[in-house]
Amino acid sequence: SQQGEEDPQALSIQEGENATMNCSYKTSINNLQWYRQNSGRGLVHLILIRSNEREKHSGRLRVTLDTSKKSSSLLITASRAADTASYFCATESNSGYSTLTFGKGTMLLVSP
Amino acid sequence: GAGVSQTPSNKVTEKGKYVELRCDPISGHTALYWYRQSLGQGPEFLIYFQGTGAADDSGLPNDRFFAVRPEGSVSTLKIQRTERGDSAVYLCASRGSGEETQYFGPGTRLLVL
Repeated sequence: SQQGEEDPQALSIQEGENATMNCSYKTSINNLQWYRQNSGRGLVHLILIRSNEREKHSGRLRVTLDTSKKSSSLLITASRAADTASYFCATESNSGYSTLTFGKGTMLLVSP
Repeated sequence: GAGVSQTPSNKVTEKGKYVELRCDPISGHTALYWYRQSLGQGPEFLIYFQGTGAADDSGLPNDRFFAVRPEGSVSTLKIQRTERGDSAVYLCASRGSGEETQYFGPGTRLLVL
């Protein structure tokens, strides 16, 4: 079963604009991760934020985590056409098994 | 080194047939995961290996699905008596000891006609 829910399901913006995607989850977590997927194939790991962290940056990516609201956001600044892809959040629970539970994803389209 | 590889890239089979999907993890990674992704959905967990043993197989949908990892490296996901509902992309991931990140392969797209 899928734990996370991404919002919006689809996002269309122009190059240079910022893109914000949100993710909500249901259970306690060890960490939350964001992945990118092109054309429905392999997933590329973007960034991981631990449950005791509130914000993390990596290049043009900024992730926030609010464990009280069980939500996270991914901000991509100064977007490029090459950022067009599907983005998924995935949570690793603190049950000890280390498997990931994914949301349904946000499809991002960046137009030149 | 090389990333996670999966073969075949695509597999078309007929309902009722048996299929095997292969995953080569990153060398030295002890943890290996299988996920299944249906169209328009996020990946869903199937099974997790730590070394040669299946540490968690709670995601396998039924007993037609089975996976092995006999030498703690390559893994094979086996599906018996395939059904049209098994059509999906099957993703494999591996993780090194002490690491937090899972590294995914390109997936095998299975189509059951």
